[in-house]
Amino acid sequence: DARVTQTPRHKVTEMGQEVTMRCQPILGHNTVFWYRQTMMQGLELLAYFRNRAPLDDSGMPKDRFSAEMPDATLATLKIQPSEPRDSAVYFCASSAGNTIYFGEGSWLTVV
Amino acid sequence: DQQVKQNSPSLSVQEGRISILNCDYTNSMFDYFLWYKKYPAEGPTFLISISSIKDKNEDGRFTVFLNKSAKHLSLHIVPSQPGDSAVYFCAAAQFGNEKLTFGTGTRLTIIP
Repeated sequence: DARVTQTPRHKVTEMGQEVTMRCQPILGHNTVFWYRQTMMQGLELLAYFRNRAPLDDSGMPKDRFSAEMPDATLATLKIQPSEPRDSAVYFCASSAGNTIYFGEGSWLTVV
Repeated sequence: DQQVKQNSPSLSVQEGRISILNCDYTNSMFDYFLWYKKYPAEGPTFLISISSIKDKNEDGRFTVFLNKSAKHLSLHIVPSQPGDSAVYFCAAAQFGNEKLTFGTGTRLTIIP
């Protein structure tokens, strides 16, 4: 059963700490997305990659967020330093066409 | 600027009746539209899609209608079942471009 795998599922951290979220896309999917879910904005696109190359990271606060794909089986989203307003659910998703498949999300709480 | 809008944050429908979820978009370049369903503590899952060359697409109890002139689409669920209780996200894209723009979601509650 192919699925997108995200870790950690839950993270509570103190303001100012570094947070790294990891994602394993579905094997064979060459496009990987990072979305953030908030009450006010719904699902916001933070960044996405095709064949490991970043295509669009305009939705991401550049000063504190960074996204990378070290290899085809791993995508990372890093926040440094974290702030309380970063508290949200972060979803990784992958696709090989117009249908996107989401992971279960990483629930981040910054206190 | 919210290019995809779901103006109803929540909706309650009696079991067995029709649920109608609405979505509006502003970007005339969008020509492919999708609905995703999300249960608590899970990621969104794909439900149904429609391209702009059609005005209706049906899959079992789910039908999506597209009105291009009004830039409006709707999802009809009939008959509604308790398992349909979830958050429904509308999404739009330019066909062939995998980047989706999502709405803010509508929480559907089916009342037994």
